[in-house]
Amino acid sequence: EAGVVQSPRYKIIEKKQPVAFWCNPISGHNTLYWYLQNLGQGPELLIRYENEEAVDDSQLPKDRFSAERLKGVDSTLKIQPAELGDSAVYLCASSSEWTSGVDTQYFGPGTRLTVL
Amino acid sequence: GIQVEQSPPDLILQEGANSTLRCNFSDSVNNLQWFHQNPWGQLINLFYIPSGTKQNGRLSATTVATERYSLLYISSSQTTDSGVYFCAVHANFGNEKLTFGTGTRLTIIP
Repeated sequence: EAGVVQSPRYKIIEKKQPVAFWCNPISGHNTLYWYLQNLGQGPELLIRYENEEAVDDSQLPKDRFSAERLKGVDSTLKIQPAELGDSAVYLCASSSEWTSGVDTQYFGPGTRLTVL
Repeated sequence: GIQVEQSPPDLILQEGANSTLRCNFSDSVNNLQWFHQNPWGQLINLFYIPSGTKQNGRLSATTVATERYSLLYISSSQTTDSGVYFCAVHANFGNEKLTFGTGTRLTIIP
């Protein structure tokens, strides 16, 4: 079974440029998550999808970040414009069910973003 | 929100040694997971263990939910065990996102 796929693995951009990350979850997983991981810290949730619905986007900085999961399968996370402080690893995860927090999440390899 | 603290922050061991990593959390939880993040950044799910004890090969974990802590045991360490170990929890109440601790960085020396 293929794991969570993310691309690109690495991205270097200049500040104020736009950037997009793509994620394809494990087949059959209805729940998809985007996390941000700063150096030396644990991942922090940005947004959670149940199928195509964003059910928790309270941590997403909506002034510059956006996400979509149009067909309830793969997802795109966008930053426009990027700032220096956005340099981090962006992780995607998926799980097969989410019932009152009871789920096992499987993570992709992440996209390491560097903003110059 | 719920606080998750892990100790020790760093651990350096010789290959073959045993280790115990601890995770303390500040409120009752209905989900606790241990993850290993390898040196290439990949997060691997080790255990889903909101309570009780589980074992998988050289690794085992115990969560005492009433006392709000979990332990991860690694026996006969190998160099491939190096990386950062994270504990992550869902609180029973309030914001039901998975909250990660700050991790324990384990380095196994051959």
